[in-house]
Amino acid sequence: EAGVAQSPRYKIIEKRQSVAFWCNPISGHATLYWYQQILGQGPKLLIQFQNNGVVDDSQLPKDRFSAERLKGVDSTLKIQPAKLEDSAVYLCASSSTLAGGFYEQYFGPGTRLTVT
Amino acid sequence: AQSVSQHNHHVILSEAASLELGCNYSYGGTVNLFWYVQYPGQHLQLLLKYFSGDPLVKGIKGFEAEFIKSKFSFNLRKPSVQWSDTAEYFCAVRGGSQGNLIFGKGTKLSVKP
Repeated sequence: EAGVAQSPRYKIIEKRQSVAFWCNPISGHATLYWYQQILGQGPKLLIQFQNNGVVDDSQLPKDRFSAERLKGVDSTLKIQPAKLEDSAVYLCASSSTLAGGFYEQYFGPGTRLTVT
Repeated sequence: AQSVSQHNHHVILSEAASLELGCNYSYGGTVNLFWYVQYPGQHLQLLLKYFSGDPLVKGIKGFEAEFIKSKFSFNLRKPSVQWSDTAEYFCAVRGGSQGNLIFGKGTKLSVKP
């Protein structure tokens, strides 16, 4: 079974520039998550999709971050414009929804963003 | 609001030493508890989980964790660590069956051969 794919793996941009990250979840997984992991901290959920609908985006800085999952499969996360404090690893995870509500999240390798 | 506290930022052990990583959470209701591990250069992956029942749960690679409800704790243990256990370990909590994962800051474990 192929895992969660993310690209690019690394990205360096200057502040005020735009950047986009791509995620392809495990085949058949209905739920997709984007996390932000700042150095020295644990992952923090930014947004959760169920198929192509948003379930939770309460911690997404909507003035600069946006995400979409148009066909319920791949997803993109965009930052526009980037700030220095956006430097972090952006993790994508996916899960299937099983009976009883338990779902194990499978994580991708992440995209390391450096904003200079 | 839910929160997770991991007591140790960096733990250094010699091979065969015993390991215990502390994790405390703040949440008043039913919780699901997890330990995730990230080996160098690899993805974050689930080590073990607790939902209900026996508070002592066993995971992969000889790890176990004990849920102590009265102490709001879910400490990770391994009787004898190996060099290959060198990794970063994250405790996570999910409030109820539909909540999202809240991660701790992680503990980096370095095992000296």
